[in-house]
Amino acid sequence: AQSVTQPDIHITVSEGASLELRCNYSYGATPYLFWYVQSPGQGLQLLLKYFSGDTLVQGIKGFEAEFKRSQSSFNLRKPSVHWSDAAEYFCAVVISGSARQLTFGSGTQLTVLP
Amino acid sequence: ETGVTQSPTHLIKTRGQQVTLRCSSQSGHNTVSWYQQALGQGPQFIFQYYREEENGRGNFPPRFSGLQFPNYSSELNVNALELDDSALYLCASSPRTSDYNEQFFGPGTRLTVL
Repeated sequence: AQSVTQPDIHITVSEGASLELRCNYSYGATPYLFWYVQSPGQGLQLLLKYFSGDTLVQGIKGFEAEFKRSQSSFNLRKPSVHWSDAAEYFCAVVISGSARQLTFGSGTQLTVLP
Repeated sequence: ETGVTQSPTHLIKTRGQQVTLRCSSQSGHNTVSWYQQALGQGPQFIFQYYREEENGRGNFPPRFSGLQFPNYSSELNVNALELDDSALYLCASSPRTSDYNEQFFGPGTRLTVL
């Protein structure tokens, strides 16, 4: 069955430090890949997506992610974290299908220390 | 341009009751998807509506049902509420084309079942 794994439940970084959030997926083919961010009381906001082409994708708020087919991974990175980046981050995939529904990982909660 | 809106924001029900949640899609979007997000978990796909018909369903029992109206707004109905139905319910709208389109999420309805 298809699945998305985010191995880190909670990550704490200092403001200004770099960040990497891990995501692995389990599918036979390369799915469409996404990262979403959710702040308390807010809906989900799309940070970036990968469909095909260049495996390094740039998103909003200074985030980027790299697709590695050999590792079935799509890790999210940011070179310098800001306090406002504290939130929950979800990796998600879409596979071919009539509904093209999103399948989400369980999320990584990011805490930013001053 | 108005984004996706959901009502009510919060709702408290007791076990066995029925509930209706509402979603207004973003202008120009004809597809609506519903997700359930339990505390500490990623959202799970409930179902999707396109042109007023169900267009895909996740692993949810029949007591979860929905409607889509000619203006593309949507309702999620849950009968015989159970304690485990307590969650954040997210609605997402998207345009429908031949390829995958970004889903735009509303802020959600927080349902508490006592």
